[in-house]
Amino acid sequence: AQSVTQLDSHVSVSEGTPVLLRCNYSSSYSPSLFWYVQHPNKGLQLLLKYTSAATLVKGINGFEAEFKKSETSFHLTKPSAHMSDAAEYFCVVSADEKLTFGTGTRLTIIP
Amino acid sequence: DARVTQTPRDKVTEMGQEVTMRCQPILGHNTVFWYRQTMMQGLELLAYFRNRAPLDDSGMPKDRFSAEMPDATLATLKIQPSEPRDSAVYFCASGLVHGLVFEQFFGPGTRLTVL
Repeated sequence: AQSVTQLDSHVSVSEGTPVLLRCNYSSSYSPSLFWYVQHPNKGLQLLLKYTSAATLVKGINGFEAEFKKSETSFHLTKPSAHMSDAAEYFCVVSADEKLTFGTGTRLTIIP
Repeated sequence: DARVTQTPRDKVTEMGQEVTMRCQPILGHNTVFWYRQTMMQGLELLAYFRNRAPLDDSGMPKDRFSAEMPDATLATLKIQPSEPRDSAVYFCASGLVHGLVFEQFFGPGTRLTVL
């Protein structure tokens, strides 16, 4: 069984300040972990993925995430927020072909 | 740039009508998924196929929903009869094993409104 918990349903940051979106996972197997982003009225786009090759994963648009097995966490970060980052972010765990989605974190950027 | 396509993008219908949503997976992907997204339930997996064979449809209400893959380039999700509680965005995704990771690529979704 696998599950993922996104600790914040809503995060607001000022433009130019760091972003931290938190995610904890639970999996019976060595999981694959993903972050997807969904802009309003759009589909889901893959931001980055963890494949056990490296614990620090770099994605698109300046995002990165660090896999910490001891903490069962996979938090998403970005050094400097941009207005275009405003969206819904989903942490996802997979131990096979199926994905298990978190409930999402809505990121708001304050001008 | 290969993409998953879905039609229609928006559908408004009346309760009791039949609704068919279509998905064209990325060429070469052998796994197709149907998801439903609502405010209350978030993203739910409805069904998925591998090599056109249904593997898991446990997330789908069996009495009114059906999912098929008539061929490798087309997946369909049908609701008959539709009900207001079916109003949601329905996403199709196709998948590919890439190294040790299975990655899914999502279509833009079909926004269904049942009045």
